[in-house]
Amino acid sequence: QVQLVESGGGVVQPGRSLRLSCAASGFTFSNYGIHWVRQAPGKGLEWVAIISYDGSDKNYAASVRGRFTIYRDNSKNTVYLQMNSLRAEDTAVYYCAKDLFSAAPGPFDYWGQGTLVTVSS
Amino acid sequence: EIVLTQSPATLSLSPGERATLSCRASQSVSSYLAWYQQKPGQAPRLLIYDASNRATGIPARFSGSGSGTDFTLTISSLEPEDFAVYYCQQRSNWPPSFTFGPGTKVDIK
Repeated sequence: QVQLVESGGGVVQPGRSLRLSCAASGFTFSNYGIHWVRQAPGKGLEWVAIISYDGSDKNYAASVRGRFTIYRDNSKNTVYLQMNSLRAEDTAVYYCAKDLFSAAPGPFDYWGQGTLVTVSS
Repeated sequence: EIVLTQSPATLSLSPGERATLSCRASQSVSSYLAWYQQKPGQAPRLLIYDASNRATGIPARFSGSGSGTDFTLTISSLEPEDFAVYYCQQRSNWPPSFTFGPGTKVDIK
């Protein structure tokens, strides 16, 4: 069955970096776009980034553009989110999610369980 | 950027009642509107995509309607497991980006 497993979260000081991983299984990973979505404590959902099936197309929310980088390794069935210059407002549970369709971005039919990132001094 | 507004913020109903949730977009999103359900401590679950298509495994009591700027999620008869937060989501075409509404909490009256 389809599984997405995030890892790499933790406590980090403002201005520092962190890399999240999303390991996928149960589907043809190289056929699907993958997203990162975050949820601050007690708040709603915020889309963060998308990477296309082959890694050639990427886009970011304005709130993270220039600080976060999404990339993937299809040989390892893994997507990464490199987060630099972290701020307190980046504190959230970060989910990775899979596109429903192989031919178009969104919506998201499978989600991981999330990994918590806390930015605090 | 397209902004999604959901109403009401909270809906207090009893099991067996009908729930009607609204999502309004600041400009037309055509039919690129999805609905998700989220329970405490869990990841969101896709319910409806392209405004009116139920995702795999979603019970028939969930239905979606609308196009353009006004959308509705209807739960025909609430089951105990339906009490949760519901988010709508839209997609902007190119480059692809996504926006979620602020959510509607359906709680037990």
